[in-house]
Amino acid sequence: GEDVEQSLFLSVREGDSSVINCTYTDSSSTYLYWYKQEPGAGLQLLTYIFSNMDMKQDQRLTVLLNKKDKHLSLRIADTQTGDSAIYFCAESGANNLFFGTGTRLTVIP
Amino acid sequence: GAGVSQSPSNKVTEKGKDVELRCDPISGHTALYWYRQSLGQGLEFLIYFQGNSAPDKSGLPSDRFSAERTGGSVSTLTIQRTQQEDSAVYLCASSLGVFTEAFFGQGTRLTVV
Repeated sequence: GEDVEQSLFLSVREGDSSVINCTYTDSSSTYLYWYKQEPGAGLQLLTYIFSNMDMKQDQRLTVLLNKKDKHLSLRIADTQTGDSAIYFCAESGANNLFFGTGTRLTVIP
Repeated sequence: GAGVSQSPSNKVTEKGKDVELRCDPISGHTALYWYRQSLGQGLEFLIYFQGNSAPDKSGLPSDRFSAERTGGSVSTLTIQRTQQEDSAVYLCASSLGVFTEAFFGQGTRLTVV
């Protein structure tokens, strides 16, 4: 089956940029997603990128896709304490939606 | 309703008992997913329903786990003879289709004692 991998933890100082990385195995993925889970809450879609794009920018968020290496990253500029959460990478397979293990981002004031 | 609703929000059960977890998806969403989130284990896919197609059960960890979706709407995840390792948060999500945004419920926290 599809495998989506992420590092488990990331700590950054407030105001710095955060980069969360993800690798996936399904080369036929059409969309790749970033979901955010705040403490005690469900997952919410943060942003997504279509597989024929290399980059997508949305305010403080930049998504980079390297389809050749099956590598996806999420950059958060000017990271704030409110960005502390678990970030999940997900890929849409042929008939399903697969998630990574999640990266817990801790923002240090 | 406005979002995906799951019930109960918390469930404590004794080892060996059966439990049923319910998911009410967003009206009109044809795709419904069940995931399990364990501490430090990330999001584990369990089962996926899409319209009238046969469900993808490839993620169910054992034959103690089953799920159904009645009338293309409400879904029930059943765990028989619960074990302590079944303790986790069970998340349900629905979407218009596999390539569209998935909306998640708040989850059911299951504790097996």
